[in-house]
Amino acid sequence: GAVVSQHPSWVICKSGTSVKIECRSLDFQATTMFWYRQFPKQSLMLMATSNEGSKATYEQGVEKDKFLINHASLTLSTLTVTSAHPEDSSFYICSATGDRVNYEQYFGPGTRLTVT
Amino acid sequence: TQLLEQSPQFLSIQEGENLTVYCNSSSVFSSLQWYRQEPGEGPVLLVTVVTGGEVKKLKRLTFQFGDARKDSSLHITAAQPGDTGLYLCAGASAGGTSYGKLTFGQGTILTVHP
Repeated sequence: GAVVSQHPSWVICKSGTSVKIECRSLDFQATTMFWYRQFPKQSLMLMATSNEGSKATYEQGVEKDKFLINHASLTLSTLTVTSAHPEDSSFYICSATGDRVNYEQYFGPGTRLTVT
Repeated sequence: TQLLEQSPQFLSIQEGENLTVYCNSSSVFSSLQWYRQEPGEGPVLLVTVVTGGEVKKLKRLTFQFGDARKDSSLHITAAQPGDTGLYLCAGASAGGTSYGKLTFGQGTILTVHP
């Protein structure tokens, strides 16, 4: 159980275009989903927290107009990188939790975004 | 702002050796999780500890939560090449605006040489 999928696993796009990444909890209802960014050989950097039906809460320094997050249902959250630039190239990972006791998060496999 | 100091950042050892990774904070966490991540993949949850002083074992891995729930350790006995990866500790906050958020340590890159 506790499987999270992410799509696509990798994407290459041109500078100025937008890219949408989907995160789905396959076998549980995710009350909260999180979006992270990770640079090579580094830890995870939280970008935003989203609760189903609510606006996402962005971490300091993360542009909400650039990284649009939608949490339309208890099993789906999307991250749209708008007007992507090469500096947005990174590994993006989502996680989901339905655990209101121990707050265990289950991670998707990640999406490698390359902006040319 | 909660911080979780993880050490060491890098570990390069020979197969069969033992090792310990530490996570320390001045903050109290409601629970603490350990994850292992391989390159190009998402982190995989290894264990969650919730009670001060708790010890959990997962085959050759032993996890300990400090009595005050501010620190944790991961000990691996007789490391194998398959243990190679990035190990992450993460403390969970409860309540308020930090609901459900995890504070991650900096990570430990472990390389076990055959």
